[in-house]
Amino acid sequence: KAGVTQTPRYLIKTRGQQVTLSCSPISGHRSVSWYQQTPGQGLQFLFEYFSETQRNKGNFPGRFSGRQFSNSRSEMNVSTLELGDSALYLCASSWLSSRLTDTQYFGPGTRLTVL
Amino acid sequence: QQQVKQSPQSLIVQKGGISIINCAYENTAFDYFPWYQQFPGKGPALLIAIRPDVSEKKEGRFTISFNKSAKQFSLHIMDSQPGDSATYFCAARGGATNKLIFGTGTLLAVQP
Repeated sequence: KAGVTQTPRYLIKTRGQQVTLSCSPISGHRSVSWYQQTPGQGLQFLFEYFSETQRNKGNFPGRFSGRQFSNSRSEMNVSTLELGDSALYLCASSWLSSRLTDTQYFGPGTRLTVL
Repeated sequence: QQQVKQSPQSLIVQKGGISIINCAYENTAFDYFPWYQQFPGKGPALLIAIRPDVSEKKEGRFTISFNKSAKQFSLHIMDSQPGDSATYFCAARGGATNKLIFGTGTLLAVQP
């Protein structure tokens, strides 16, 4: 069974640009969460989608947005990039909406560098 | 109240030794405590997880000890191997959200 895939794996952008990252969850998984990982702040939750609806949102500015499609694939978008947005963006998928079985499986991440 | 505090920041252990990483939390609504292992260039991978209704869970060389009254939990890696060298994150989840709150990570180096 294929794991969580994220594209692209590496991305270089300049300040002010926008970027879209893609995540394909494990087949059958309906929940997708996004996390930002930086050396300074560690792993921080961005948002979670389930059945095309945003269920939870972390404490990030409105420049960070996401969506989920009917096939459970998800995208996140960051507009007006800032230097501080340089990070590893991780996507995690899980099976069901029930929290009791909600183990999250992470993808390899997209390394975003903002110059 | 949403924080998970993890220590130590880094750890060096000799091959065959025991690695111990500790975490503490404040939010009593947390009801799921996983540990993740991350190698360079990879995403975190679930290692082992525990719920607060048990005090210990063991899977192979990895054991979680959980102290509900102290709001602390720890990861023990028995017979540590060089291949265990990685960054380990504790996390917690619960309450009205499914989001994982991660600790700051522990960089483990197992020397041969």
